[in-house]
Amino acid sequence: DAGVTQSPTHLIKTRGQHVTLRCSPISGHKSVSWYQQVLGQGPQFIFQYYEKEERGRGNFPDRFSARQFPNYSSELNVNALLLGDSALYLCASSFVSTGYTFGSGTRLTVV
Amino acid sequence: DQQVKQNSPSLSVQEGRISILNCDYTNSMFDYFLWYKKYPAEGPTFLISISSIKDKNEDGRFTVFLNKSAKHLSLHIVPSQPGDSAVYFCAALGGNEKLTFGTGTRLTIIP
Repeated sequence: DAGVTQSPTHLIKTRGQHVTLRCSPISGHKSVSWYQQVLGQGPQFIFQYYEKEERGRGNFPDRFSARQFPNYSSELNVNALLLGDSALYLCASSFVSTGYTFGSGTRLTVV
Repeated sequence: DQQVKQNSPSLSVQEGRISILNCDYTNSMFDYFLWYKKYPAEGPTFLISISSIKDKNEDGRFTVFLNKSAKHLSLHIVPSQPGDSAVYFCAALGGNEKLTFGTGTRLTIIP
């Protein structure tokens, strides 16, 4: 049974560019959340989607957006990339509100 | 405003002995707590959780203790094994399905 899959695993972008990160949840999981982990810190909540509706948003600028598709997969989009956006981006899926399973993440480097 | 704190960035423990990782929180609305383990280049892996209506939960070598009055929880690993070497994150839920993480403790088990 496949876990949470994220793509790509690594990405290098230039300041000002746009990036799209993708996440496929565990089969049967309808909720997907996105987290940003900067080096030396714990993951920080960005978004949660449930049944294609945004259920929560963390303290991130409007350059960050996301969506969830009918098959429950999700995309995280970041516009006008800054050096400070360099981080590990984690996707988590859940079936019940306390059971979160994380993917391996996408390592984004902005140069 | 760090609502979940792990004040020890690192901890070294002899193989076979007990590892104790600590976590403090400030938000009294948190009602569910989780511990995750993270290896480099992987996403966090769920270890054990506890509801605020309990003060202890045990799963094999892992036990989590919750002291609500002190807003403190701890993870005990006994006996510690070399494969336990990783970064451990404490996380909390407060009804909005958003995980709030601590900054992590790097545990090193010395053979």
